[in-house]
Amino acid sequence: DIQMTQSPASLSASVGETVTITCRASENIYSYLAWYQQKQGKSPQLLVYNAKTLAEGVPSRFSGSGSGTQFSLKINSLQPEDFGSYYCQHHYGTPLTFGAGTKLELK
Amino acid sequence: EVKLVESGGGLVQPGGSLKLSCAASGFTFSSYTMSWVRQTPEKRLEWVAYISNGGGSTYYPDTVKGRFTISRDNAKNTLYLQMSSLKSEDTAMYYCARQGAGKAYYFDYWGQGTTLTVSS
Repeated sequence: DIQMTQSPASLSASVGETVTITCRASENIYSYLAWYQQKQGKSPQLLVYNAKTLAEGVPSRFSGSGSGTQFSLKINSLQPEDFGSYYCQHHYGTPLTFGAGTKLELK
Repeated sequence: EVKLVESGGGLVQPGGSLKLSCAASGFTFSSYTMSWVRQTPEKRLEWVAYISNGGGSTYYPDTVKGRFTISRDNAKNTLYLQMSSLKSEDTAMYYCARQGAGKAYYFDYWGQGTTLTVSS
């Protein structure tokens, strides 16, 4: 199975800051990488797929990059609604696996 | 508006069985592959079952293979997950999730989830 390693596990930041979350795959997954945001008590929501394609309705302050085994999600100018948890997931066939998540908290 | 509404969760004893349902609306259900994804109490996300749009192909991770069965009724726009030989480690929030267009393996819509607790 492909292992997904996310870092950091938690992150404190202020409104207006720029943050980056990284995700590493245990083998080459080309660009088959998705990012999700989950707010407290809610279900995950798709942010990015195919490593860099924003899902419908996702603000442009979010951007995804990377290929192969190294990926990142960048959030420019953090807004209050951006705080929550973020997960990466490879979508290079089954079994599908997720990273352990990054909790983004308000400093 | 795409809507996925899960139901059927509850408290089950170890070794027991339960069937979850997911009612879909707002899209052509028969055109999309679907999955069940669970989130453990530790907040880890785990994919547990996949079914093709017609229902002819299913996939499972080794952790649930032989114990869980995914199915769908396209006439009723409903997805199911039959779970048996339940273990305490199956305790989780279970989400029904639609996969992206073109049979992609990412999840573009999720339901609100239904909770399963396996405990004596």
